[in-house]
Amino acid sequence: DAGVIQSPRHEVTEMGQEVTLRCKPISGHDYLFWYRQTMMRGLELLIYFNNNVPIDDSGMPEDRFSAKMPNASFSTLKIQPSEPRDSAVYFCASSSGTGTYEQYFGPGTRLTVT
Amino acid sequence: TQLLEQSPQFLSIQEGENLTVYCNSSSVFSSLQWYRQEPGEGPVLLVTVVTGGEVKKLKRLTFQFGDARKDSSLHITAAQPGDTGLYLCAATNNNAGNMLTFGGGTRLMVKP
Repeated sequence: DAGVIQSPRHEVTEMGQEVTLRCKPISGHDYLFWYRQTMMRGLELLIYFNNNVPIDDSGMPEDRFSAKMPNASFSTLKIQPSEPRDSAVYFCASSSGTGTYEQYFGPGTRLTVT
Repeated sequence: TQLLEQSPQFLSIQEGENLTVYCNSSSVFSSLQWYRQEPGEGPVLLVTVVTGGEVKKLKRLTFQFGDARKDSSLHITAAQPGDTGLYLCAATNNNAGNMLTFGGGTRLMVKP
């Protein structure tokens, strides 16, 4: 398996623009997680899905952030409009949902909002 | 909120030295995981511990889960530059389903 795939790897955009981050989880994994990582706040869970249904979005910073999972092999995280404080590395992770809940992370998308 | 505290936050040592990283909480967890993250990459799972008092070894890395399942340690023997990275502990309990609570991480640098 190729592992969790994220695109793009790097995104530089201007304040006010819309940003869409993409994720393809590991095939067969029922859970998908979106995280944000910064030096100040560490790794923060934004939202997670089970069988394509959002289960907990309490970590989503505000209404500018939205996430969708239209099918088992694809998810998006959208920021509209983007702000400089959204600059961070965004990770997608997936899990099989069995056993001890290990999560497998993608390589991340480094977002810079100027 | 179940808080996981890691210490130290930063550690810089010479190649060949030993070190221990700690992960502590006031909550009881059903399992605890250790991840290592290298620059520009996502965290990679190293080990999962489930049973109180459990000890697992991965080459020069020794992981221990506290008897009460509230804390864990990671010991590295004869550290090498390739061990450099961010070490994260993460825990779950049965009430939280698949959600993991992550610690703040320990950033390790091993100098040759």
